[in-house]
Amino acid sequence: EAQVTQNPRYLITVTGKKLTVTCSQNMNHEYMSWYRQDPGLGLRQIYYSMNVEVTDKGDVPEGYKVSRKEKRNFPLILESPSPNQTSLYFCASSLLAATTSGANVLTFGAGSRLTVL
Amino acid sequence: GQQLNQSPQSMFIQEGEDVSMNCTSSSIFNTWLWYKQEPGEGPVLLIALYKAGELTSNGRLTAQFGITRKDSFLNISASIPSDVGIYFCAGLDTGTASKLTFGTGTRLQVTL
Repeated sequence: EAQVTQNPRYLITVTGKKLTVTCSQNMNHEYMSWYRQDPGLGLRQIYYSMNVEVTDKGDVPEGYKVSRKEKRNFPLILESPSPNQTSLYFCASSLLAATTSGANVLTFGAGSRLTVL
Repeated sequence: GQQLNQSPQSMFIQEGEDVSMNCTSSSIFNTWLWYKQEPGEGPVLLIALYKAGELTSNGRLTAQFGITRKDSFLNISASIPSDVGIYFCAGLDTGTASKLTFGTGTRLQVTL
């Protein structure tokens, strides 16, 4: 089944304790992206990757890191989490990042709910 | 970063009623997408629009790409309980192929 898989789905941690949220897609998609969802703010892009070893900042990158060593994986790293990073996180991928019809339609993972105490 | 203005923020309707929601932007987009997010899940694509003025249907859902390219509308006819969820619009910036900008979402509740 074509899908984007995120882990963990739920995590409670403490301020300053490094954590990684993994994301993997099995669709051979070039483009991958991380979003955070907060009440009243919708989905905001954290980082995105156009292809292997190519990453770039989205709208809210502060406090996050990413890497894209392989096409299928795009982990989100919080080096020193803080309470304002408590949120619902989504990984998403699409075939391409281009404007070609259909190629840029994102497929989302089920989300990872993170609480930082 | 830019955000789209989506309204209404939430809606409480009765089963069988029609629903309308819209998204507006200060910028032009060349693609509009509508997603639905059910509780505990990630957003799932409902409708994609690629041309100004385009009107596309998917079952009871109809979406339109505004002529000005700065807005889009989603209508749901004869709502049913499984329509409950958060609906997001998203626009693709003409100048930045990699970036989808999402609206703030419309939370829909359907009562029997």
